[in-house]
This record gives sequence, structure tokens and C-alpha cells, in this order.
Amino acid sequence: GIQVEQSPPDLILQEGANSTLRCNFSDSVNNLQWFHQNPWGQLINLFYIPSGTKQNGRLSATTVATERYSLLYISSSQTTDSGVYFCAVGGSLYGQNFVFGPGTRLSVLP
Amino acid sequence: AAGVIQSPRHLIKEKRETATLKCYPIPRHDTVYWYQQGPGQDPQFLISFYEKMQSDKGSIPDRFSAQQFSDYHSELNMSSLELGDSALYFCASSSDRDNEKLFFGSGTQLSVL
Repeated sequence: GIQVEQSPPDLILQEGANSTLRCNFSDSVNNLQWFHQNPWGQLINLFYIPSGTKQNGRLSATTVATERYSLLYISSSQTTDSGVYFCAVGGSLYGQNFVFGPGTRLSVLP
Repeated sequence: AAGVIQSPRHLIKEKRETATLKCYPIPRHDTVYWYQQGPGQDPQFLISFYEKMQSDKGSIPDRFSAQQFSDYHSELNMSSLELGDSALYFCASSSDRDNEKLFFGSGTQLSVL
């Protein structure tokens, strides 16, 4: 099955810093999504981004499908950005499920 | 806007007992997924339903079963519970008219004692 890797596994930032999270995947995908799991465990969908670039406030994401990676950028980080960021790939092209990467745990310090 | 609703939020069971988790997807979403997340781990796919028919199966133990009903709600039934079944169980739903974007419920935290 498809393999998903994320880096770095852990990241500690001071408030206001910028960061880049990476997701590599082993096969062509037509569906890639980024999620934020907050400290209360809730999984929030950040982006649907199988290719190209999208921006939403301080967050943006870029997927280069031909090179099988995606990047999530967080600018001017805030303490509320803390949590775990997952990328997930799959969708109906791979049956009907999504494979999650191991996540990047982000801690933003005040 | 309506979200995915899961119940109960917390569940405590003893070994060998049975548990039933419920999920109400977002209205008009055609696919429901169940995921299991252990402490410090990523969500692991268990099973999915497309238009009430099982569409894909992951690493779901034989002791677990799931179904989707005519009103589109889904239930995950877990029997002969083991200590290792303690985890956060998520339900998610999506629509192929919205790029299969996954929307998750708040999860059910199952503790097996």
C-alpha cells in the first residue's frame, strides 16, 4: 500500500516564528489533505490539495504531485497552532480510505 | 453548519465486554469512515461505507463489525474487548461532490480496564 512520511516529527517554535512541514508519499495520489489535531484531540481539515498551492490566512500548502511531496507553511505562529499536523492521502482511487502520515507535533511557546 | 456527531464521547468497559459506538455523518455525505487512534499514533483506517454499502476494509479485528443504516448513521460494534482496544475512535464523513474532503467527529475515547 501507499506509504506516507512526515518531517520533522517534532518542532518547537517561539510565537511569531515561521515553519515548514513536509509530507512525502510513495505513489501517485489524486487526493491529499492536511489536518490539525488540537490538544483536545479534535481533527480539523486544513486543506484539500492534491496539487498546486492554496492559502488560508497564515497557513498555506503546496503539493508537487509529480515529485510526491506536499508542504504546509505556518507563518507568524501562535500558541493556538500547537498540536499535531497530519497529511493524509488516498480516497476512492485507493479503495475508499485515506492513509495518514505519522504526523508532526508542533509546540508553539509564548 | 452540521458536523459529524459521535456518541458517546467517553466509554469505559471491562475486558471481554461489548461496546457500540455511534456516528451521524454530515447530511448528504455519501461516505462514512471509521478510524482508530492509539496514544501518540496516527489514525488507522478500520472500515468505510459508501451509500450504506461497505466499500473498504482496513486493519479491523474480526471482533469488530460495523454497519450503516437506512438513515445513514453508522455503528461500530466491538466485542470481547481487550486492553489494547483502548483508543480514540473517530468517525469521518465525506462527499464525492466535495472532493472527498474528510470531516471528523469529536471521537469516542474508549478505555478498557
